[in-house]
Amino acid sequence: EAGVAQSPRYKIIEKRQSVAFWCNPISGHATLYWYQQILGQGPKLLIQFQNNGVVDDSQLPKDRFSAERLKGVDSTLKIQPAKLEDSAVYLCASSLSPGPADTQYFGPGTRLTVL
Amino acid sequence: AQSVTQLDSHVSVSEGTPVLLRCNYSSSYSPSLFWYVQHPNKGLQLLLKYTSAATLVKGINGFEAEFKKSETSFHLTKPSAHMSDAAEYFCVVTPASNTGKLIFGQGTTLQVKP
Repeated sequence: EAGVAQSPRYKIIEKRQSVAFWCNPISGHATLYWYQQILGQGPKLLIQFQNNGVVDDSQLPKDRFSAERLKGVDSTLKIQPAKLEDSAVYLCASSLSPGPADTQYFGPGTRLTVL
Repeated sequence: AQSVTQLDSHVSVSEGTPVLLRCNYSSSYSPSLFWYVQHPNKGLQLLLKYTSAATLVKGINGFEAEFKKSETSFHLTKPSAHMSDAAEYFCVVTPASNTGKLIFGQGTTLQVKP
């Protein structure tokens, strides 16, 4: 079974530039999550999708971050404009359905450095 | 609000000796709890989970954890450490809404010395 795919793996940008990350979940997984992991901390949920609808985006900085999951499969996360504090690893995860019974599978992440 | 506190930011053991990674949780209800492991340059992997069934949970690679409600703890143990166990470990709780959102602790770095 193929895992969660993310690209790019690394990205370096200047502050105030824009950047986009892509995630392809495990086939058949209806629930998709984006987490932000700042160096030395545990991941923090940014947004959760169920199919192509948003379930939770309470911790997404909506003035600069946006995410979409068209057709309920792939997802993109965008930052515009980027700030220095956005430097982090952005993790995508997917599960068959929401709730603790179904395991979340994580991708390798995209490491973003904002200079 | 639900949260977890990992009591040690760094644990160092010798190969072949027991491992204990400590986690306390805060929750006003009976939570679901997890341990995830993160090896360098690899994705997070689920070690084990507790979802209100047996309080002693066995996971992959010989790890296990015991849910103790009276102590609000969910410590991770392994009888004998292996070099390949060196990694970052996260204790995780789900909120009452049970939407699937995971709330991670700060992490514990496990170092295994030869």
